[in-house]
Order: sequence, then C-alpha cells, then structure tokens
Amino acid sequence: SQQGEEDPQALSIQEGENATMNCSYKTSINNLQWYRQNSGRGLVHLILIRSNEREKHSGRLRVTLDTSKKSSSLLITASRAADTASYFCATALRSNDYKLSFGAGTTVTVRA
Amino acid sequence: GAGVSQSPSNKVTEKGKDVELRCDPISGHTALYWYRQSLGQGLEFLIYFQGNSAPDKSGLPSDRFSAERTGGSVSTLTIQRTQQEDSAVYLCASSWRTGGFTDEQYFGPGTRLTVT
Repeated sequence: SQQGEEDPQALSIQEGENATMNCSYKTSINNLQWYRQNSGRGLVHLILIRSNEREKHSGRLRVTLDTSKKSSSLLITASRAADTASYFCATALRSNDYKLSFGAGTTVTVRA
Repeated sequence: GAGVSQSPSNKVTEKGKDVELRCDPISGHTALYWYRQSLGQGLEFLIYFQGNSAPDKSGLPSDRFSAERTGGSVSTLTIQRTQQEDSAVYLCASSWRTGGFTDEQYFGPGTRLTVT
C-alpha cells in the first residue's frame, strides 16, 4: 500500500511561474525524499529531508516538512520547460528506512 | 561516474515463459533495491539487498519472483511462468547505506516488461 499521497495529481503552469505540490503520509517516518521522473522511466533524486528537519533548499527547489501534520511540500521556483515531469514523494519509515514507499505522483507541465 | 544500468531496456515475452532482468549498481554501493512500477499499483518495493544477502523480500508478489545478487554487485530478478499482470517497468536502485544510515537511492532507467 502507498504511504504517501501527492496533491494535486496534475499541474500546468507557465514558464517562469512557481509550482507547488504537496505530499501527505500516514505513519512516522525517518525521512522523506522527492524524486523526478521523465517519460515514465528512471527516477532522479531531488532532495532528502530528515524527520528532524523542517526545510531544505537545493537550487530552485525548496522542500518543507511538517511532521505534526504528516505532510511535505515541494516548491519549484522560476519553472522551466525542462521541469516538465512527474514528481514523487517517497517516505522511509523508522522501522525499515531502506524501503521507500512512493505516492502516485504529481504530473507537472510547464508551458513555454 | 557511471550510474545504475539495467538490461534489457525492453522485454516482450509470452505468457508462461521465464524472464531474467539484470541490474548493475553504482560501483561501491552496498545496498541494492528492486521496485516495480505499474499503472494500477504505482511504484512498489520488491526486495532489498545489503551485500549479497536479502534481509527483506517482503515485496515480492509471489513465489514466481526471485532475485539474487553476486559479488556484492550485479543483481538479477527472475520471474518464472510470467503472467500478464507482471507487465510493468522494473526499476533497480542502489545506495551507499554505510553504517545503517538511510541515504538517497540512485535509480536505473528501468526494464519495461510486456507479457503477451
């Protein structure tokens, strides 16, 4: 069963705009990771945020984590056409942190 | 450096045949993982290797599925007597995982399996 659920399922924005997607999960986690997937193939790791962290940045990406609400958000600033992809959150539980449980993903389309 | 590689990239097989999928992890990565991505089920964890041993096989869907890893490197996922519901993209990932700490997993491009 899937631990994480992303919202929205799909997002369409204009180049230059920001894109925000959310992830909610059910049980206590060790860490939460965000991945990007292009064309339904390999996943690219974006950011890992641990349960004792609240915010992380990487380039144009900003991730927040609220363990009290069991939710995370991924913000992509100044989007580009190359950001068009599916974005997945994946949670690693405290009990078996090697096993990633993925949500269904958010499909982001950036229009030129 | 080289990333995770998988072969074949695409495999079409007839129902009932056996298939072998191969994964070459990043050199030096001690941990290796198999996942399956299908339309109905999303991304599912199948099995985890630490070195050559598999502490967690809980995600393997049935006893038709097996996996091994040799020399702490290459892994093969074998599906016997394939069924149409086995059609999916099979993704392999590897990571350092030294000292038991969680780290990011690096994924290969996947093998798209189609069972006709």
